[in-house]
Amino acid sequence: GAVVSQHPSRVICKSGTSVKIECRSLDFQATTMFWYRQFPKQSLMLMATSNEGSKATYEQGVEKDKFLINHASLTLSTLTVTSAHPEDSSFYICSARDLRGGTEAFFGQGTRLTVV
Amino acid sequence: GQNIDQPTEMTATEGAIVQINCTYQTSGFNGLFWYQQHAGEAPTFLSYNVLDGLEEKGRFSSFLSRSKGYSYLLLKELQMKDSASYLCAGSARQLTFGSGTQLTVLP
Repeated sequence: GAVVSQHPSRVICKSGTSVKIECRSLDFQATTMFWYRQFPKQSLMLMATSNEGSKATYEQGVEKDKFLINHASLTLSTLTVTSAHPEDSSFYICSARDLRGGTEAFFGQGTRLTVV
Repeated sequence: GQNIDQPTEMTATEGAIVQINCTYQTSGFNGLFWYQQHAGEAPTFLSYNVLDGLEEKGRFSSFLSRSKGYSYLLLKELQMKDSASYLCAGSARQLTFGSGTQLTVLP
């Protein structure tokens, strides 16, 4: 199956700093990628939909100035958590659907962010 | 919007069969997914149903009834490694996930 690579898998940062997470589709093109956040023992919550070449669409309650999303190419989307705070500590996961119309959404490995 | 409901926890014995139910209410429905997620890892795809009926794939099967807004995931010959969270997700413009069912398989 298709592969989505997410990097880094784990990151620890100081409060007030920014962290960038990359999501790459390795063997297919994706005009749309999705960013999720998952707190312990909870389900995946969609944060935003990343569209190649245009602005991301954010879900209600997600601050677009805090979670910056850039989808510069058909194979790369980045999420930057700006001015991170301890409450931003979470598991962030990206997913992508194949441009050719596949029904399956492929997930990256996830990024465990800890803000200290 | 979408609303996905599934039980929070289930327990079963190794070698047994377990059925995890999922009900959904969604507009623009475009199919229902089941994913398996082990703690600290990303979800992995198990099945996708867009038409009514049963889809069998090895030890795992998934059923969909669009008229009832209902799906289930059936796991046969349970193994210890099947202990995980099972996520039901409705597909429209994007995937909307249920809260997940934490399955514990006991020896």
